[in-house]
Amino acid sequence: LAKTTQPISMDSYEGQEVNITCSHNNIATNDYITWYQQFPSQGPRFIIQGYKTKVTNEVASLFIPADRKSSTLSLPRVSLSDTAVYYCLVGYTGRRALTFGSGTRLQVQP
Amino acid sequence: DAGVTQSPTHLIKTRGQQVTLRCSPKSGHDTVSWYQQALGQGPQFIFQYYEEEERQRGNFPDRFSGHQFPNYSSELNVNALLLGDSALYLCASSLEQLNTEAFFGQGTRLTVV
Repeated sequence: LAKTTQPISMDSYEGQEVNITCSHNNIATNDYITWYQQFPSQGPRFIIQGYKTKVTNEVASLFIPADRKSSTLSLPRVSLSDTAVYYCLVGYTGRRALTFGSGTRLQVQP
Repeated sequence: DAGVTQSPTHLIKTRGQQVTLRCSPKSGHDTVSWYQQALGQGPQFIFQYYEEEERQRGNFPDRFSGHQFPNYSSELNVNALLLGDSALYLCASSLEQLNTEAFFGQGTRLTVV
């Protein structure tokens, strides 16, 4: 399974754009990149998934360069409620076990 | 549409006891996975059930066992509880035939004293 590396923590202010980068040098050809969000004492919540280039949904964008060895989760105009732990996962979701790292703790200040 | 539901939400057990945790998957989902999350850590995969059989297993001892029922619901059993088993236990469901994301329940907080 591809190992992921992401910052332990990040701080931001309300209204700013936040970019969290994840490194996954050993990503396999059929691996997707998935990001989850987790609030304290709750289960992780799916944010976005992509394979290459750019994916955008109503909450975030995911940028994946051509070599796919990294990816960047972009959260536009964060609010206090975006304070959470964000996990980057690499693999084939659903059918296989998800491998979580320690995640990135995002703290949004007013 | 109910998402993934887990019961109980909290549980306190004594070292050496046995515990059973329950999970109902999201409607339409047929695959259930269980994860253990220690405080401050990411979730760790325990095992996955599909068609009432254990399909994959993480690095957990045999004290951890499970079951999936015909209605796709699942149970996680832990025998001979240790203090180190204290954690948030998460259930996730997904649909086998699609590369869909896994949906997680809110978890069961198990405290072993």
